[in-house]
Amino acid sequence: GAVVSQHPSWVICKSGTSVKIECRSLDFQATTMFWYRQFPKQSLMLMATSNEGSKATYEQGVEKDKFLINHASLTLSTLTVTSAHPEDSSFYICSARGTGGRHEQYFGPGTRLTVT
Amino acid sequence: QKEVEQNSGPLSVPEGAIASLNCTYSDRGSQSFFWYRQYSGKSPELIMFIYSNGDKEDGRFTAQLNKASQYVSLLIRDSQPSDSATYLCAVGKAAGGSYIPTFGRGTSLIVHP
Repeated sequence: GAVVSQHPSWVICKSGTSVKIECRSLDFQATTMFWYRQFPKQSLMLMATSNEGSKATYEQGVEKDKFLINHASLTLSTLTVTSAHPEDSSFYICSARGTGGRHEQYFGPGTRLTVT
Repeated sequence: QKEVEQNSGPLSVPEGAIASLNCTYSDRGSQSFFWYRQYSGKSPELIMFIYSNGDKEDGRFTAQLNKASQYVSLLIRDSQPSDSATYLCAVGKAAGGSYIPTFGRGTSLIVHP
């Protein structure tokens, strides 16, 4: 149980284009989903927290107009990187937390984004 | 002061030994504590969580929590080369109806044959 999927697993796009990453909880309902970014050999950086049906809460320094997050259902959240630039190249990882007041969060396999 | 601190390592242990990973946290109100394992190039995988003082065992893994001293540790018995990874400690508490865990920077573990 507690499986989270992400799609795509890797993507290469041209500078200036937008990329959408999907995060799905496959066998549980996720009231909260988190989006992280991780650069090589660095720690996880929380970008935003989203609750189903609400606007995402962004961490300081993360541009909400650039990183659009939608959490339209209890099993799906999306992150859209708009007008991507090479410095946005990173490993994007989502995680999901279930209902019932439990605190454990489960990570998706990540999406490696390369912007050329 | 960082909220969740871990020694970056690497911690090197021989195969079959006990690996001991430590984590300290600053917020006394923290309620839940997690250990994640992250292999290079992969996303973190939850391996243990603990909410109460004391020990919690799951197979070769034991999580130890001491809230008075504000530390949580992870013991890996009979370490295997496949345990070589970065281990992330995460600490969280509920606040204002929301709950956001804070991650440490991770400790790199190397188990050599």
